[in-house]
Amino acid sequence: GAVVSQHPSWVICKSGTSVKIECRSLDFQATTMFWYRQFPKQSLMLMATSNEGSKATYEQGVEKDKFLINHASLTLSTLTVTSAHPEDSSFYICSATSLAGGTYEQYFGPGTRLTVT
Amino acid sequence: GESVGLHLPTLSVQEGDNSIINCAYSNSASDYFIWYKQESGKGPQFIIDIRSNMDKRQGQRVTVLLNKTVKHLSLQIAATQPGDSAVYFCAENSGGSNYKLTFGKGTLLTVNP
Repeated sequence: GAVVSQHPSWVICKSGTSVKIECRSLDFQATTMFWYRQFPKQSLMLMATSNEGSKATYEQGVEKDKFLINHASLTLSTLTVTSAHPEDSSFYICSATSLAGGTYEQYFGPGTRLTVT
Repeated sequence: GESVGLHLPTLSVQEGDNSIINCAYSNSASDYFIWYKQESGKGPQFIIDIRSNMDKRQGQRVTVLLNKTVKHLSLQIAATQPGDSAVYFCAENSGGSNYKLTFGKGTLLTVNP
């Protein structure tokens, strides 16, 4: 099946610094990638929809200047958390969509655990 | 039994029993539904899906039931095993070209040996 990877799998950074998380579709081209955030014991909350070659669409309440998304190719999207603060500590998950047999399939990455100290 | 915690409902079952996990979805326009399994520290894993033109779909040891009248979705796991212990999420897609999913609250399933 289709594989989505994320890098790094976990990261610890100091408050005020920026962190970049990569999401790659390894064996398929993804026209659309999604970024989710998940706090402990809670559900996945969609942050933004990222289409290759265009600006990301952010969900209500998500600061686009804080969470920078770049989708430069059909296999790579990046999420940069700028000026990170402890409240940004969370599990960040990406997914990628693939059109297969006329329907869209969505594949999830393994997640990135961000801890801001 | 099933209980609702501060954030995450829980369901505890004995190994070998059948499990039923429920989900109420929000958008009557949603036409595609998916159940995901998420183990601790990992991303969601696809289990089974169903389209709105169906009311039941079966997979290996799993069955999804859809009741559009009351906007209810359920996941049945037969002969539950310890490896089934995880958080289970339902997700809905209301159509559109970008295939955006809205996730439900999730249920923590614990299988006791």
